Amino acid sequence: GAVVSQHPSWVICKSGTSVKIECRSLDFQATTMFWYRQFPKQSLMLMATSNEGSKATYEQGVEKDKFLINHASLTLSTLTVTSAHPEDSSFYICSAISPGGYNEQFFGPGTRLTVL
Amino acid sequence: AQSVTQLGSHVSVSEGALVLLRCNYSSSVPPYLFWYVQYPNQGLQLLLKYTSAATLVKGINGFEAEFKKSETSFHLTKPSAHMSDAAEYFCAVSERGGGFKTIFGAGTRLFVKA
Repeated sequence: GAVVSQHPSWVICKSGTSVKIECRSLDFQATTMFWYRQFPKQSLMLMATSNEGSKATYEQGVEKDKFLINHASLTLSTLTVTSAHPEDSSFYICSAISPGGYNEQFFGPGTRLTVL
Repeated sequence: AQSVTQLGSHVSVSEGALVLLRCNYSSSVPPYLFWYVQYPNQGLQLLLKYTSAATLVKGINGFEAEFKKSETSFHLTKPSAHMSDAAEYFCAVSERGGGFKTIFGAGTRLFVKA
């Protein structure tokens, strides 16, 4: 099956710094990727839809200036958490739409962000 | 608008017993339906998906689910639980022709007792 990777798998940073998370589709081209946030013992919350070559579409309540998304190629989308604060600590997961159709998504392994 | 309801945030079964995780959906058009599994600190892995080809869908690791339109349900079952099945399970719905957005249920934590 298709593989989606994320890097880094975990990151610890100081409050006020910015953190970039990469999401790559390794063996297929992904015109559409998604970024989710997951709090402990909760479901996935869609943050934004990332489309190659165009601006991301953010869900209501997600600060687009806080969570910058860039989908510069068909295999790479990045999420940058700007001026991170402790409340941004969370598990961030990306996914890519399968080229096989049916709206199936392939998920990355997730990135654990801890802001001190 | 689409929605997904998973009945039971926690389900506990004995090893070898039947696993039944419940999922009901709401959608204005025939949807795509999915079950995903998540192990701790990992992403989600697709167990199976319903795309309308057959109402009984077989997935990986011995899981299957049946699409029942009249009940708007897509319950996940496995005849015999294994310790390695202990994980979080998410039911999800995506609208045909409505873009790729997928709505996830709240999740059901499956515990398997020895």
